[in-house]
Amino acid sequence: GESVGLHLPTLSVQEGDNSIINCAYSNSASDYFIWYKQESGKGPQFIIDIRSNMDKRQGQRVTVLLNKTVKHLSLQIAATQPGDSAVYFCADTTTGRRALTFGSGTRLQVQP
Amino acid sequence: NAGVTQTPKFQVLKTGQSMTLQCAQDMNHEYMSWYRQDPGMGLRLIHYSVGAGITDQGEVPNGYNVSRSTTEDFPLRLLSAAPSQTSVYFCASSSTTDTQYFGPGTRLTVL
Repeated sequence: GESVGLHLPTLSVQEGDNSIINCAYSNSASDYFIWYKQESGKGPQFIIDIRSNMDKRQGQRVTVLLNKTVKHLSLQIAATQPGDSAVYFCADTTTGRRALTFGSGTRLQVQP
Repeated sequence: NAGVTQTPKFQVLKTGQSMTLQCAQDMNHEYMSWYRQDPGMGLRLIHYSVGAGITDQGEVPNGYNVSRSTTEDFPLRLLSAAPSQTSVYFCASSSTTDTQYFGPGTRLTVL
């Protein structure tokens, strides 16, 4: 991800809507990408990952899309629930390196 | 299976004091790392270890020391705390995959 130290962007959605959170990364050599969810006062929680040999990967209510051409990653959350309210971070690395580079995060607010 | 645990949860230090942040994992993971998180920013890597006896620097290592004498433990030492080290510190671990699992964090304030 791009750690640029900006004010945390916020995405506000209605309960039941679909959410799309975007992330840009800067290292063209990165081949492994992860989305984390961080609730207030807690550590980042793994949501879903994808490797560079894939464009799309689906989990339970979540989908990650990877566009290597423009170095862009997105997280789609279907039927967003109040419990999805949190800050979401993307992170990238190269296989075996393990050290993650984090984006600055997006705050998701779900309105009931 | 407690996963990754960190102590203490909160700590207040005066400038110049030293302390050790503890991190332990019970998953037999080879890889462990320390990150710091400042307001409005993502996590930044401080130090990491690929196994017992092996450590290396990350993106922001200055002012911090680490050691890895066992697979389970990876303490982070602040030798002389500075206000710039006020942050939330997260420890993480992973096995042979690249997915890292994080502890609950230590919130440190340096006055």
